[in-house]
Amino acid sequence: GEDVEQSLFLSVREGDSSVINCTYTDSSSTYLYWYKQEPGAGLQLLTYIFSNMDMKQDQRLTVLLNKKDKHLSLRIADTQTGDSAIYFCAEMRGNAGKSTFGDGTTLTVKP
Amino acid sequence: DTAVSQTPKYLVTQMGNDKSIKCEQNLGHDTMYWYKQDSKKFLKIMFSYNNKELIINETVPNRFSPKSPDKAHLNLHINSLELGDSAVYFCASSQVGVIATNTGELFFGEGSRLTVL
Repeated sequence: GEDVEQSLFLSVREGDSSVINCTYTDSSSTYLYWYKQEPGAGLQLLTYIFSNMDMKQDQRLTVLLNKKDKHLSLRIADTQTGDSAIYFCAEMRGNAGKSTFGDGTTLTVKP
Repeated sequence: DTAVSQTPKYLVTQMGNDKSIKCEQNLGHDTMYWYKQDSKKFLKIMFSYNNKELIINETVPNRFSPKSPDKAHLNLHINSLELGDSAVYFCASSQVGVIATNTGELFFGEGSRLTVL
């Protein structure tokens, strides 16, 4: 996506931590999201963060938001083979309902 | 009980044909969307309807026409199909607005894979 950028590929070993990074351009974004897409399936929301937060933790997932640098990251602790998927960063502006997606990061977890 | 369901899941057709993809959501959401995912997995919004009214219409050829008979349904009709229309089309829904509990989360269907020969 032209307003949301993320690297396309990441490969890690099982048990390691994965960090997927995303940058966005619109400072008026209200919500930022991480969606997960498994092969042959639709996207599912993994986690989200409101723009006035710096960090959100949910079990193995940690989301960090640096609003000054417009940088969002997703850390997956103790990455498992089942975490192999495409991870999309997305941002929503205001209440218009339009979410802009990054191009997705394909995470490959090697045993 | 599927929240966002779209049919058909697979569609193979010849260039020049007209085809439709249907989508229904049972979540009571007020907004529905069509996204296109190309062969590189890039996801682009095409249309969005809020309570049957078109609110987002990205740069999409006129051959694509969405129709929303009611807020639970959003169908996509494509005329004169071209090779470049081959993609996976995702329907999604969300609840938007100023209510504090709305996070704008999108609920996606499983996708409809269109192959134009």
